[in-house]
Amino acid sequence: GDSVTQMEGPVTLSEEAFLTINCTYTATGYPSLFWYVQYPGEGLQLLLKATKADDKGSNKGFEATYRKETTSFHLEKGSVQVSDSAVYFCALVSGAGSYQLTFGKGTKLSVIP
Amino acid sequence: DTGVSQNPRHKITKRGQNVTFRCDPISEHNRLYWYRQTLGQGPEFLTYFQNEAQLEKSRLLSDRFSAERPKGSFSTLEIQRTEQGDSAMYLCASSWGSGDQQETQYFGPGTRLLVL
Repeated sequence: GDSVTQMEGPVTLSEEAFLTINCTYTATGYPSLFWYVQYPGEGLQLLLKATKADDKGSNKGFEATYRKETTSFHLEKGSVQVSDSAVYFCALVSGAGSYQLTFGKGTKLSVIP
Repeated sequence: DTGVSQNPRHKITKRGQNVTFRCDPISEHNRLYWYRQTLGQGPEFLTYFQNEAQLEKSRLLSDRFSAERPKGSFSTLEIQRTEQGDSAMYLCASSWGSGDQQETQYFGPGTRLLVL
């Protein structure tokens, strides 16, 4: 079945540091890939997405590139801020008639001043 | 605010009681999803509706769980004879899609259930 594996947290970074959160997937067909973010006390929000190989999703300074050859969708940001502290979830929809999101376990990011 | 809303936000119940949660999707969305999230885990899919039809159910959805979406608008999720293992955050999401289009799902704030 479909699965998503993302790096274990928690991750603690200083403000303005570079962020990478690794995400790899297993899926049938040609999945769409997503990063969702959950800020403290809030619901899940879509951060970015990519629907086909080599697509790059970007939002709020975050980027992720859909790499079919390595089945990866790593999240990156060049300079994190304290306000980026949250839990980040990588997810996929495999398509072909199935619309459910399959999530990774989440990576908690803490950014300290 | 035209986002997905869920009620109640919190529910505490005793083991063996029945509970019902409500989800109001974004008004023009035809697809509605229920997920369950336990502490330290990502959300897990429970079930999915397109309009009023329940088209997909996870094996996680035991016989004690039932979901409805009458008239293709709001949805309810009922858990009968609750167990302590049902304690979790129950999330609702909605989207607009046609055919095999893989559209974005927008999530509500969730209902946190605690079974004592």
